[in-house]
Amino acid sequence: GQQLNQSPQSMFIQEGEDVSMNCTSSSIFNTWLWYKQDPGEGPVLLIALYKAGELTSNGRLTAQFGITRKDSFLNISASIPSDVGIYFCAGLLRGIQGAQKLVFGQGTRLTINP
Amino acid sequence: KAGVTQTPRYLIKTRGQQVTLSCSPISGHRSVSWYQQTPGQGLQFLFEYFSETQRNKGNFPGRFSGRQFSNSRSEMNVSTLELGDSALYLCASRRESSGNTIYFGEGSWLTVV
Repeated sequence: GQQLNQSPQSMFIQEGEDVSMNCTSSSIFNTWLWYKQDPGEGPVLLIALYKAGELTSNGRLTAQFGITRKDSFLNISASIPSDVGIYFCAGLLRGIQGAQKLVFGQGTRLTINP
Repeated sequence: KAGVTQTPRYLIKTRGQQVTLSCSPISGHRSVSWYQQTPGQGLQFLFEYFSETQRNKGNFPGRFSGRQFSNSRSEMNVSTLELGDSALYLCASRRESSGNTIYFGEGSWLTVV
């Protein structure tokens, strides 16, 4: 199925470091969403981006909607142990009569060494 | 405000059986969609329901079906289960308005043996 190209696939960092991950696509999206998923749980929404070029922050998280609408990045500053998990980008596709579906990246697994 | 609620959380079924999963969306959310998550394929869209009508469908065989009730609660059914159907099934809900966002439940873990 259609997927976004998310990188890196995994990251091993020290506590306190900054983290950056991104997603690219050959398709244009009108909305980008970033989710975090902990083991055995569903994805939790972190940030939603609605306009090309939009830069949005949520605490230590910052995300941007690429100007071409084909990419997005997520930055985490000063990482802490609870940031461990899998991060997913998702692009929202709109169809006829209001239909919508999310297309997901493959995920970035973040591991933090204390 | 309660989030998206899915039941059951865990279940084990045998090949050939069928399974029904349930989802209660966030209050006020009328759109419900379902996703399958597996290690190999990642998160894949199954279908979306709005006002008791299927509005969008992913590339899954006809064994996968769903429905939505007048109170926006939704169920999905998988018939004639195969080993490859083992996955985390996620339900998501959203409010019908511009700029809306999509919220997920904790998922139902299905193991087919």
